[in-house]
Amino acid sequence: QSVLTQPPSVSAAPGQKVTISCSGSSSNIGNNYVSWYQQLPGTAPKLLIYENNKRPSGIPDRFSGSKSGTSANLGITGLQTGDEADYYCGTWDSSLSVYNYVFGTGTKVTVL
Amino acid sequence: QITLKESGPTLVKPTQTLTLTCTFSGFSLSTSGVGVGWIRQPPGKALEWLALIYWDDDKRYSPSLKSRLSITKDTSKNQVVLTMTNMDPVDTATYYCALPRPGFDYWGQGTLVTVSS
Repeated sequence: QSVLTQPPSVSAAPGQKVTISCSGSSSNIGNNYVSWYQQLPGTAPKLLIYENNKRPSGIPDRFSGSKSGTSANLGITGLQTGDEADYYCGTWDSSLSVYNYVFGTGTKVTVL
Repeated sequence: QITLKESGPTLVKPTQTLTLTCTFSGFSLSTSGVGVGWIRQPPGKALEWLALIYWDDDKRYSPSLKSRLSITKDTSKNQVVLTMTNMDPVDTATYYCALPRPGFDYWGQGTLVTVSS
């Protein structure tokens, strides 16, 4: 049971924008940086966003991250068929007096 | 160039202990701040973080699996080993090792472990 909640799926037409939410609490998102991962079918996850809104080298600026309070969002603009994938948020959690990493429930992005 | 690769059995029986090895290159686990983590993903399900070990031998475990997990490192061999005891069919998953810097930005290809008698 993940402590980070994401919508199961989002969809949009090519060229449009989608936003994926990640809802947590003060023990995780509220006090820690959030990362976002993209997992294309049959492949390992790939880091898209770290420290809430930073992109690793090579990640296009169509992908953006934001955080407010205990929630975070991933935005994808100019949607492409190659963006069809599962997306996960992740952060550290300290609810049990020890730090452990948690992933979100995952969101499947469909390009209509 | 940073690479990580998981190795271990593809099939284990219920109640057995799983031992997985992550062999990496391009960085050193003796460097301050560096860690290596393990993450798994049951077929068709979400990612689940398992454990992480740091350069100073600090170890973190998933609270729900802590009693079954052990993570160790061999700096000289550039390896991190994860053991999980008392395997059950629900532990069937692809197991990944990954490098957090921060956020897990380098991942191995993953290894599918099936638990079945």
